[in-house]
Amino acid sequence: AQSVTQLDSQVPVFEEAPVELRCNYSSSVSVYLFWYVQYPNQGLQLLLKYLSGSTLVESINGFEAEFNKSQTSFHLRKPSVHISDTAEYFCAVSDGGKLIFGQGTELSVKP
Amino acid sequence: KAGVTQTPRYLIKTRGQQVTLSCSPISGHRSVSWYQQTPGQGLQFLFEYFSETQRNKGNFPGRFSGRQFSNSRSEMNVSTLELGDSALYLCASSSGVGPTGINEQYFGPGTRLTVT
Repeated sequence: AQSVTQLDSQVPVFEEAPVELRCNYSSSVSVYLFWYVQYPNQGLQLLLKYLSGSTLVESINGFEAEFNKSQTSFHLRKPSVHISDTAEYFCAVSDGGKLIFGQGTELSVKP
Repeated sequence: KAGVTQTPRYLIKTRGQQVTLSCSPISGHRSVSWYQQTPGQGLQFLFEYFSETQRNKGNFPGRFSGRQFSNSRSEMNVSTLELGDSALYLCASSSGVGPTGINEQYFGPGTRLTVT
């Protein structure tokens, strides 16, 4: 069965600083990877996904993630964060259609 | 296009009771998945329904069950509630067609269940 490990449970960062949220998955022949964001008292919103093709995927709000097959990683990055990016971020892998989530990383952006 | 809706948003039940949660997927979507979110266990997959049939199932006891109607709306039921069932229950819809696993899942706001 697939598994996902998010290496940091909390990441505090100052506004306009770069950030990287780390995610590793268990290896598989083919893998579909996702990053979701959850704001307080809300459901999950898809940030970006890797299905195939280019290993670098981008979201509309400045986040990007790179699929690295040799390191079984799918780290999420943003070059300059805003206060509004404060949320919990979940990395997930699709396992036969069901999503297997990591434990989540709380990103806290301070002014 | 309206998003995924879940009712009720909040629920308080007593241990031993049963509860039914409802989910209306995005129009045209045929797949509905349910997830449980708790601080200790994180997000865990419960089950998926596609065209009124359970297509996938997680590792939860039989007290957790679900169904899907012909209009794709889904309900999940938890019988004989335990304190540990307190959680945020999230529903996600997707088109459900095409290669398994690649369809984007759209999540509802969740139902927060508190068992006392």
